[in-house]
Amino acid sequence: DARVTQTPRHKVTEMGQEVTMRCQPILGHNTVFWYRQTMMQGLELLAYFRNRAPLDDSGMPKDRFSAEMPDATLATLKIQPSEPRDSAVYFCASGLVRTGELFFGEGSRLTVL
Amino acid sequence: GNSVTQMEGPVTLSEEAFLTINCTYTATGYPSLFWYVQYPGEGLQLLLKATKADDKGSNKGFEATYRKETTSFHLEKGSVQVSDSAVYFCALTPPGNQFYFGTGTSLTVIP
Repeated sequence: DARVTQTPRHKVTEMGQEVTMRCQPILGHNTVFWYRQTMMQGLELLAYFRNRAPLDDSGMPKDRFSAEMPDATLATLKIQPSEPRDSAVYFCASGLVRTGELFFGEGSRLTVL
Repeated sequence: GNSVTQMEGPVTLSEEAFLTINCTYTATGYPSLFWYVQYPGEGLQLLLKATKADDKGSNKGFEATYRKETTSFHLEKGSVQVSDSAVYFCALTPPGNQFYFGTGTSLTVIP
């Protein structure tokens, strides 16, 4: 049963530390999205890749966040330095441009103290 | 531009009640429309979709019809169950483009 895999599932860190979240998209999918979900802001798009190329990262704070796809099986989202306001659940999703459907991972819950 | 507007929540219903969650959209071109559901502690999962005007998506007793004339994609279920308690997201994607999600509507079904 193909699924999007995210690690870590939970992360507690202190302000100022670097945080890296990883995502393994479903094999063969050519789009990857990173979303952030909070109670206050809801679901926010951070980055969007198609065929590993970044197409839209306008929702991402550029001074501390970075997103990459070093290969087709791995997407990363890095926060450096982390701040308490980054506390949220971060979701990765992958899909096919042809079908338009997105498959979400279970999320990485980040708490920055 | 592209955007989705969905009904504010939270919605609380008694078991077996009829559910409607409104969703309207603005889009360039001819988007596909989706409803996603998020159960507590989980990621979003596709509930149903429709890819062209007048299509009806259906799954698990839920239905939604792609109405181009009213730019709407309202979610309905005739008889809700406690297990339907979740957050429901309306979404659209123009062909070959990114996803646009609504703000989500929280549904609680009480026995």
